[in-house]
Amino acid sequence: NAGVTQTPKFQVLKTGQSMTLQCAQDMNHEYMSWYRQDPGMGLRLIHYSVGAGITDQGEVPNGYNVSRSTTEDFPLRLLSAAPSQTSVYFCASSYSSFAAEGEQYFGPGTRLTVT
Amino acid sequence: GQQVMQIPQYQHVQEGEDFTTYCNSSTTLSNIQWYKQRPGGHPVFLIQLVKSGEVKKQKRLTFQFGEAKKNSSLHITATQTTDVGTYFCAGPGGGADGLTFGKGTHLIIQP
Repeated sequence: NAGVTQTPKFQVLKTGQSMTLQCAQDMNHEYMSWYRQDPGMGLRLIHYSVGAGITDQGEVPNGYNVSRSTTEDFPLRLLSAAPSQTSVYFCASSYSSFAAEGEQYFGPGTRLTVT
Repeated sequence: GQQVMQIPQYQHVQEGEDFTTYCNSSTTLSNIQWYKQRPGGHPVFLIQLVKSGEVKKQKRLTFQFGEAKKNSSLHITATQTTDVGTYFCAGPGGGADGLTFGKGTHLIIQP
């Protein structure tokens, strides 16, 4: 199993550009989520999904969209990139439908810089 | 929303010394998870605690969940250079089915 994969590994955007961060898992996990990690701020939950067709907002959802059309994929869309969105983005998945009840498997991360 | 507070933010130790990080919540937690992130890497699950007063050990690591299920700790005995990284606790929050992380404790080991 590849586990959780994320693409791209690195990305530089100009302010106002849009892009999609890709996340895929091959473990048939129901739960998937997106976090951003900034220095001194820990990991903050952006959006999550408890199954295909179901998504919900986390702590910091503004400026981001998600959809979950399949169990395997959970892309994160930046609608109009801003310098405040410069961060490291991690995707995670879990077997349990409730994040707090199961081990989270994290992808390797995408390092995004917005200039 | 639910928050978990973690202290200290940084801890410098000499190799061989012990290390402890603490996690506190203002409300009762149904469970708590611990993760380790190596520099430049991604968080990796260490353990989940569910029961009041629970203590679990993994080699030199000891995890405790408080009796009131509002606090937890991770203790490392005789640190080694391989222990370097950031240790996070995480509990329910950030949404109906979300998981919220503490800000982490950075462990720095001086040989």
